[in-house]
Amino acid sequence: KAGVTQTPRYLIKTRGQQVTLSCSPISGHRSVSWYQQTPGQGLQFLFEYFSETQRNKGNFPGRFSGRQFSNSRSEMNVSTLELGDSALYLCASSLGQGIDYTEAFFGQGTRLTVV
Amino acid sequence: QKEVEQDPGPLSVPEGAIVSLNCTYSNSAFQYFMWYRQYSRKGPELLMYTYSSGNKEDGRFTAQVDKSSKYISLFIRDSQPSDSATYLCAMKGSSASKIIFGSGTRLSIRP
Repeated sequence: KAGVTQTPRYLIKTRGQQVTLSCSPISGHRSVSWYQQTPGQGLQFLFEYFSETQRNKGNFPGRFSGRQFSNSRSEMNVSTLELGDSALYLCASSLGQGIDYTEAFFGQGTRLTVV
Repeated sequence: QKEVEQDPGPLSVPEGAIVSLNCTYSNSAFQYFMWYRQYSRKGPELLMYTYSSGNKEDGRFTAQVDKSSKYISLFIRDSQPSDSATYLCAMKGSSASKIIFGSGTRLSIRP
């Protein structure tokens, strides 16, 4: 069974640019959550999508957005990049409902560096 | 004050020792409690999860939840160098709510 796939693994962007990250969840999983991980703040929740609808949202500015497609694949977009956006962006997939919803499986992440 | 507090370490113990990792939390609505392990340059991997209070054991790992004290623990018996990683506690209120993570404890097992 394939795991969660995130692309690209590494990305270098310039301040002011925008970036799109992709996440393919485990087959059959309908929920995709996005997290930002930095040494100072740890793992912070960005948003969660379930069946193409945003179900939960964290406390990030509107420059951070996401979407989910009918095949459950998800993308997140960051516009007008700032130096502070440099982080590891992690995607987690889960069934999305029922008792097994608690089990979230993470991808390896996309390391974004803003210069 | 953060909703979930976790000592960042680093914690260094000799091989074979019993390791105790802990988190405290402030939100009494949390009902699902999880422990993740993260190796360097990898995504977090779910180790164990517990619903409400009590203990759960899986091999060398035991998770404990004390909701009255808002305190959770992970014990690792017979620790191995391969257990060296960052351990993150995590919790959530309902099954549909977002997961809140602790900042992680860096653990090193000395051979």
